Amino acid sequence: SQQGEEDPQALSIQEGENATMNCSYKTSINNLQWYRQNSGRGLVHLILIRSNEREKHSGRLRVTLDTSKKSSSLLITASRAADTASYFCATRGSNYKLTFGKGTLLTVNP
Amino acid sequence: DAGVTQSPTHLIKTRGQQVTLRCSPKSGHDTVSWYQQALGQGPQFIFQYYEEEERQRGNFPDRFSGHQFPNYSSELNVNALLLGDSALYLCASSLFKGDSPLHFGNGTRLTVT
Repeated sequence: SQQGEEDPQALSIQEGENATMNCSYKTSINNLQWYRQNSGRGLVHLILIRSNEREKHSGRLRVTLDTSKKSSSLLITASRAADTASYFCATRGSNYKLTFGKGTLLTVNP
Repeated sequence: DAGVTQSPTHLIKTRGQQVTLRCSPKSGHDTVSWYQQALGQGPQFIFQYYEEEERQRGNFPDRFSGHQFPNYSSELNVNALLLGDSALYLCASSLFKGDSPLHFGNGTRLTVT
């Protein structure tokens, strides 16, 4: 079963614009992670935020976590055509299992 | 430093047959997890192996089984294949302790006809 639910399912923007994706989850977590997947390939880890953190940055990525609302957002600033991919949030609970959402398909148009 | 490698990359099987998929983890990792990803969906957790034992299992039938070897590599076996087993099977390695993120292979695309 899916724990996380990304929103929107698909997002199309122009190069240089910012892209924001949201993730909601249902049960308590130890951490939340974001992964990227290019078409038909493996997932690549982007960033991890722990349950006691509210915001984290990595390059052009900014992740926020609101445990009271059970939600997270991923912001990609100054997007590039190479950012075109599917983005997944994944939650880890006390059992260490990582559970993925259905993903957001981001298309960045040149 | 090689990352996670999976073999084969593509596989076509007939309903009712059995299949074995293989995975070598990233150097230094001791834990292997297997995921099934249907088209347009997120990865679904099958099971996780650590110290050659199945540590956790997702909501998959007993037709799905696995093994981890002393060198940390792993196999996923699926018996009595169904059409619905057609998917991308992803192997991911990590460290068992701490907040180790998953490192994924590029997967095995299984088609059941």
